[in-house]
Amino acid sequence: GQQVMQIPQYQHVQEGEDFTTYCNSSTTLSNIQWYKQRPGGHPVFLIQLVKSGEVKKQKRLTFQFGEAKKNSSLHITATQTTDVGTYFCAGMDSSYKLIFGSGTRLLVRP
Amino acid sequence: GAVVSQHPSRVICKSGTSVKIECRSLDFQATTMFWYRQFPKQSLMLMATSNEGSKATYEQGVEKDKFLINHASLTLSTLTVTSAHPEDSSFYICSARDSEGGWREQYFGPGTRLTVT
Repeated sequence: GQQVMQIPQYQHVQEGEDFTTYCNSSTTLSNIQWYKQRPGGHPVFLIQLVKSGEVKKQKRLTFQFGEAKKNSSLHITATQTTDVGTYFCAGMDSSYKLIFGSGTRLLVRP
Repeated sequence: GAVVSQHPSRVICKSGTSVKIECRSLDFQATTMFWYRQFPKQSLMLMATSNEGSKATYEQGVEKDKFLINHASLTLSTLTVTSAHPEDSSFYICSARDSEGGWREQYFGPGTRLTVT
């Protein structure tokens, strides 16, 4: 079945440094969504990318969807302690189910 | 925005008992709801897709007789963990797709943390 891989598994950065997480699917995706989950919380929707090569920005967060619609990335510029959490990508398959990536846990040193 | 609630938020039960978890879409109708399970420090794993008025579709490896799903109305789906065992302890999260919406319209509930002793 479809698999969505995400790297790195976790990253520990100094506040102010940049952070990037990458997502790769074994199959072409209809769209890809990104979620953030704080420790003890539930996933919170961040954004959805639909078009090939699409780039979207939300303040310090930049999201990209690959040309082949099989990979995506999330880049955070100048991390802050409030960015701490686990970031998941989730690809929507042909039957409209969301398949979650393994997640990248971000830790930020103040 | 659309809101999905789950009840209870936390439950502790003894091994061998059954636990029912409710998932409600509060301000929209959901013909489709999804149930996920998340073990500590792991990703969300889709367990089943719940369709209003019909049988749920279970993912490979998920026992349908153990995890009973009922989607009796457009705003309510329930997951019953039957004869729970300690290995069923997990974070169960539902999501609901807005029947009127498009790609994006899937909203997650706050989750239910189940502990089986």
